[in-house]
Amino acid sequence: DAKTTQPPSMDCAEGRAANLPCNHSTISGNEYVYWYRQIHSQGPQYIIHGLKNNETNEMASLIITEDRKSSTLILPHATLRDTAVYYCIVSNSGGSNYKLTFGKGTLLTVNP
Amino acid sequence: EPEVTQTPSHQVTQMGQEVILRCVPISNHLYFYWYRQILGQKVEFLVSFYNNEISEKSEIFDDQFSVERPDGSNFTLKIRSTKLEDSAMYFCANRAQGNIQYFGAGTRLSVL
Repeated sequence: DAKTTQPPSMDCAEGRAANLPCNHSTISGNEYVYWYRQIHSQGPQYIIHGLKNNETNEMASLIITEDRKSSTLILPHATLRDTAVYYCIVSNSGGSNYKLTFGKGTLLTVNP
Repeated sequence: EPEVTQTPSHQVTQMGQEVILRCVPISNHLYFYWYRQILGQKVEFLVSFYNNEISEKSEIFDDQFSVERPDGSNFTLKIRSTKLEDSAMYFCANRAQGNIQYFGAGTRLSVL
C-alpha cells in the first residue's frame, strides 16, 4: 500500500471548516483514498472514500487533486465532538485481504 | 452505520493465561479483521479472515494467536499464553460494500 503523509496536529475553531491535508504521492491507479477517524480510544470510524472524483456525504467532503497525489478532507462546520485523530489511508480496493494500514494521522482539536 | 459488537469491553488477565476476545459481526458480511492498538501507538493489522479461513496475517500474529468463527456468527481471537506486551486495545472489523471497514468499540486487554 502507498504511504501517506499527514501533519501531526491541527486546530480549528468550532463552527468553522476544518481542512485536513494528506499527501499520497506514490498512489497507484487502482488505489482508493479512505479517511477514518478515532475519537479517544474508540474504534476507528469510517468517514469517506474516493478514487479520483470529489466526494461528499453527510459527514464530510473529500477533494482529490487531479494528479491524485494529495487530498483534503473537509469538515464543513466542525464541532467539539469532531476532536479526534484523522487517518488518511490509501488501499487497493480489490482482493480478499484489503487490510488497512494506519499511520499516525492528524490530531484535530476543535476549540470552542 | 452497521454495528460490530465486541465483548468484553475490558479483560484483565494474568500473564500466561489464555484469553478469548469475541466479536459479533454484521450479519451476512464475509470479511473479518482483527487489529490492535498498544497505548499511544498506531492501529496495527493482525489478521484477516474470509470464508472461514485466514487470508492474511501480520508478523505480530504468531503461534500464540488464533481466530475462528465457531458458530457461524461470533468471531473470536484467542491468545493462548498472554504476555505483558499483549496489553492493548483489540478491534474487530467487518468489511462492507465499497470496501468500507466498520470497527467495534474494542476490547481493552490488560495483562498483569
